[in-house]
Parts: sequence; structure tokens; C-alpha cells
Amino acid sequence: DGGITQSPKYLFRKEGQNVTLSCEQNLNHDAMYWYRQDPGQGLRLIYYSQIVNDFQKGDIAEGYSVSREKKESFPLTVTSAQKNPTAFYLCASSATGGDVQPQHFGDGTRLSIL
Amino acid sequence: QKEVEQDPGPLSVPEGAIVSLNCTYSNSAFQYFMWYRQYSRKGPELLMYTYSSGNKEDGRFTAQVDKSSKYISLFIRDSQPSDSATYLCAASWGKLQFGAGTQVVVTP
Repeated sequence: DGGITQSPKYLFRKEGQNVTLSCEQNLNHDAMYWYRQDPGQGLRLIYYSQIVNDFQKGDIAEGYSVSREKKESFPLTVTSAQKNPTAFYLCASSATGGDVQPQHFGDGTRLSIL
Repeated sequence: QKEVEQDPGPLSVPEGAIVSLNCTYSNSAFQYFMWYRQYSRKGPELLMYTYSSGNKEDGRFTAQVDKSSKYISLFIRDSQPSDSATYLCAASWGKLQFGAGTQVVVTP
């Protein structure tokens, strides 16, 4: 079955620590996205990538970093510079960038502070 | 002001009733409109995807877009307890903008 796999499901971060969230897709999609979801605020775009080895900042990129070395993988690092990292993180992909193809989501990683 | 506004609910309906969900948006450039369903601790699941104005029906679900009034609607007929979830509307023109989601509770 094709889909998007996010791991781990739950993650805890200590003060001053960087943590990396994994996102893998086997849909052969070109574009991949990272969103943050907070209660009552909907989804906010952190980073997106329309092609391997290229990515763009979204609306709330500060304190986060990404890489796109392989088409199927788009890991997100939450750095110690992100002062309020507690949230539900969602990875998505679409066949192509832009609007023509809809985005499909993984089941998320919940990050909490220890 | 957010570009896509959605009442957070909760919206509680009895089983078998019609669920009516609405969103408004401010950017007239939006061309693509979506509804996602999100169960607790899960990612959003695409329900409906429409382009420009008009209606789209898929089983018990009907999506409507009225671009003249910048209004997006989703109707769920014959609602079931398994329809209890948060429903997110979204609109796109180059970038996808989400509403905050409406929590729906269908009571047996």
C-alpha cells in the first residue's frame, strides 16, 4: 500500500536538544511538505520541497531545518532555536508542486518538551 | 486576519441527521478547494477536492463552492457515529491555506 510514514509517533525533547522527525513516502510524489498543527490554529506550513535537493521556507521556518536528498524522504529537524516546539507535526506530499494535485498526509509526530 | 475562517464547533448532531459545515475565505485568487477529515491523533484524510465554483458529490458527501460570496460548504448525509471527527477546509492558489477545523460529534 502506498502512503506516507512518519516516525516516531511520539517524541520528547530536552532543553537545548535538536531532534529529527522522519517522513518517508512511497507514492513517487515530487513535492513534500511539513506542517505544524496547534490547537485552534489549523495547519501552518514550515518547509516544502518541490524537487530533490531543493526546498523553500514556509510561514514559520524559524527554528527548523530540512533536507531533501532523496525523492522519498524529507526529514525535519527541530533545533534548540525553536522555543515553543510542542505541537503535532504533519508531513504531506503531492504528485507535483502547486495546486493541481492535492496533498496527502501522514499520521503525524507529536513532539513534547521534557 | 486568517485567509480561511472556520467555526471551531463543536457541532453535535444525532445519528442520521445532515451535517452542514461552512468556511469563508478572503482571497479571491483561490481556485482549488478541499475538505479533509481528521480523527484524533491521526493525519488529515482528503475527502473532497474541487476546482472553482460548483458542487461535487461523492457518496454521502457533497461539497459546494460559491466564489461570488467566498463560501465553502460540506454536507454529510445520513451521518454516522464514525463521522465524528474534525473537518478541515482548505483553499489554494499557489499555497494551501487551512481553516482551523470544526469538531463534529455524531451521537447514536
